Amino acid sequence: QVQLVQSGAEVRKPGASVKVSCKTSGYTFFDYAIHWARQAPGQRLEWMGWINPANDNTKYSQSFQGRVTISRDTSTTTSYMQLSGLRSEDTAVYYCGRGLRYGSGSYYDYWGQGTLVTVSS
Amino acid sequence: IVLTQSPGTLSLSPGEGATLSCRASQSVSSRSLAWYQQKPGQAPRLLIYGASKRASGIPDRFSGSGSGTDFTLTVSRVEAEDFAVYFCHQYHSSETFGQGTKLEIK
Repeated sequence: QVQLVQSGAEVRKPGASVKVSCKTSGYTFFDYAIHWARQAPGQRLEWMGWINPANDNTKYSQSFQGRVTISRDTSTTTSYMQLSGLRSEDTAVYYCGRGLRYGSGSYYDYWGQGTLVTVSS
Repeated sequence: IVLTQSPGTLSLSPGEGATLSCRASQSVSSRSLAWYQQKPGQAPRLLIYGASKRASGIPDRFSGSGSGTDFTLTVSRVEAEDFAVYFCHQYHSSETFGQGTKLEIK
């Protein structure tokens, strides 16, 4: 069965970086993009970017351009999301999702369980 | 594209019907609108994609409709397991999400 399993909760100080992993299984890793989104407390989900594991192409939201890097490791079928220059407003639950291409974009048919990142001095 | 969902909270008794709205600030292709269900502490679950297509394994009491800027998720007879937060997602122009509608037990 398709599974996306994310790494555990993280606590970072302002200005630091965090790297969250999303380990996939149960399907061909190269066939689907992996998207990343986050949800701050009391806020709506916010899309961050995606990666095409087949060719390593990435696309990022302008809101995070320059601070976020999405990568993948084909040997472990894992995607990573690294966010740098952390500030308190980055405190959120970060999700990965498997993207299914439909229309002009992709919806997510499977999601990771979420990773809480807390930024606090 | 900003997605605005209404109502913020919907209080219903099991067996009643639910109608949830998602309004877009600009026109969205009907192929590019999805709905998800989320329960506390759980990952979101895909219900509907392409505005009206039920995802695999989703009961037929869930249906989606709409076009342009107005989309609707309908639950024909709410069951106990349906009480959760529902949010819409457009992937027509970049990606944005609605703020969610909480379906709670009356």
